[in-house]
Amino acid sequence: KAGVTQTPRYLIKTRGQQVTLSCSPISGHRSVSWYQQTPGQGLQFLFEYFSETQRNKGNFPGRFSGRQFSNSRSEMNVSTLELGDSALYLCASSLMGSQYEQYFGPGTRLTVT
Amino acid sequence: AQKVTQAQTEISVVEKEDVTLDCVYETRDTTYYLFWYKQPPSGELVFLIRRNSFDEQNEISGRYSWNFQKSTSSFNFTITASQVVDSAVYFCALSGNQAGTALIFGKGTTLSVSS
Repeated sequence: KAGVTQTPRYLIKTRGQQVTLSCSPISGHRSVSWYQQTPGQGLQFLFEYFSETQRNKGNFPGRFSGRQFSNSRSEMNVSTLELGDSALYLCASSLMGSQYEQYFGPGTRLTVT
Repeated sequence: AQKVTQAQTEISVVEKEDVTLDCVYETRDTTYYLFWYKQPPSGELVFLIRRNSFDEQNEISGRYSWNFQKSTSSFNFTITASQVVDSAVYFCALSGNQAGTALIFGKGTTLSVSS
């Protein structure tokens, strides 16, 4: 079974630009969660989607948004990038949600200059 | 509010030593789930174990074992006879029972095993 894939793996953007990250979950998994990982804050929950509906959102500004498609693939978007948005963005998929084991993708390393 | 504390930031051991990684959690939920994940240098988090709040049985899987104690709100992870390949960052995490609940991670413990 193919694992969680994320594209792109690396990205360099300039402050003020916007970025879209993509995540393809494991086949059959309906829940996709996004996390931001930084050295200072650690792993922080961004949002969770289940069957195209956002069920929960972490404490991040409105510049961070996401969506899930009917095939469970998910995208997250960050508008008006700030230097502090530089991080590893991880996507995780699970059958039903975070109460179950989540399988993580390799992440997208975003650098904002 | 839910919280996970991993007090040990970094641990260094020599191969074949046993090592215990501590995890203390806080939650008001009666039903919750605890997890351990491993993040090797490659960066991808790897699921190790899931435990629900009603199952306090210790678990052993090869060289790995977990000790869950509700009385002390702890879910500790022990690696027996550590190996260099065990070097990684280990995260303890907590989830509630509500649909869409977030997975809350501790700050992680970096384990370095030298030969």
